[in-house]
Amino acid sequence: DSGVTQTPKHLITATGQRVTLRCSPRSGDLSVYWYQQSLDQGLQFLIQYYNGEERAKGNILERFSAQQFPDLHSELNLSSLELGDSALYFCASSVEPVPGLGYTFGSGTRLTVV
Amino acid sequence: AQSVTQPDIHITVSEGASLELRCNYSYGATPYLFWYVQSPGQGLQLLLKYFSGDTLVQGIKGFEAEFKRSQSSFNLRKPSVHWSDAAEYFCAVGGDRSGGGADGLTFGKGTHLIIQP
Repeated sequence: DSGVTQTPKHLITATGQRVTLRCSPRSGDLSVYWYQQSLDQGLQFLIQYYNGEERAKGNILERFSAQQFPDLHSELNLSSLELGDSALYFCASSVEPVPGLGYTFGSGTRLTVV
Repeated sequence: AQSVTQPDIHITVSEGASLELRCNYSYGATPYLFWYVQSPGQGLQLLLKYFSGDTLVQGIKGFEAEFKRSQSSFNLRKPSVHWSDAAEYFCAVGGDRSGGGADGLTFGKGTHLIIQP
């Protein structure tokens, strides 16, 4: 157990729908990062939050959004889902605010869009 | 832009044999380098990282990696592999740029390690 908790583990939904993925960081970590892993694109950095504020943005689509709450948990919202959004979505956390210093990953949410 | 190349998509090694997984990176400043391992259905676990200092770094599970700036490489090694080492291995590069920006870790495509009995 890495200490980073992601729910749900699996999600199946239809095209056009909206889903919310949840992440609780390790105790004491202030930064939360979201990654998408797919067979064709590999691991892609989406977005980072540090202590409630957006800190860094990667290849995140406009249909996707995220936030970090006062208790430091984070949610990734995916809307107008397309078949191509099917992927593993990972959350990671770290103490440091700088995204390039490495972090601890959760076990991921597998999203299947049908 | 930073990038990572893992030239080997698959590698097959006999149990007990030595292992070397290759990683080449491109980064405009001093890189921070990482190796992660992913078992099926699991998240990524950090094996080791290099920030500065000794270019040979030791990690968990008996792995080590050597940073070679002249070759822009950070190859992962293990002297004797075990069947439980079968997994996907990812090399990643990052840095300490301040001020935010799209500087999350950049990962390679991964190397799938198969262990033969």
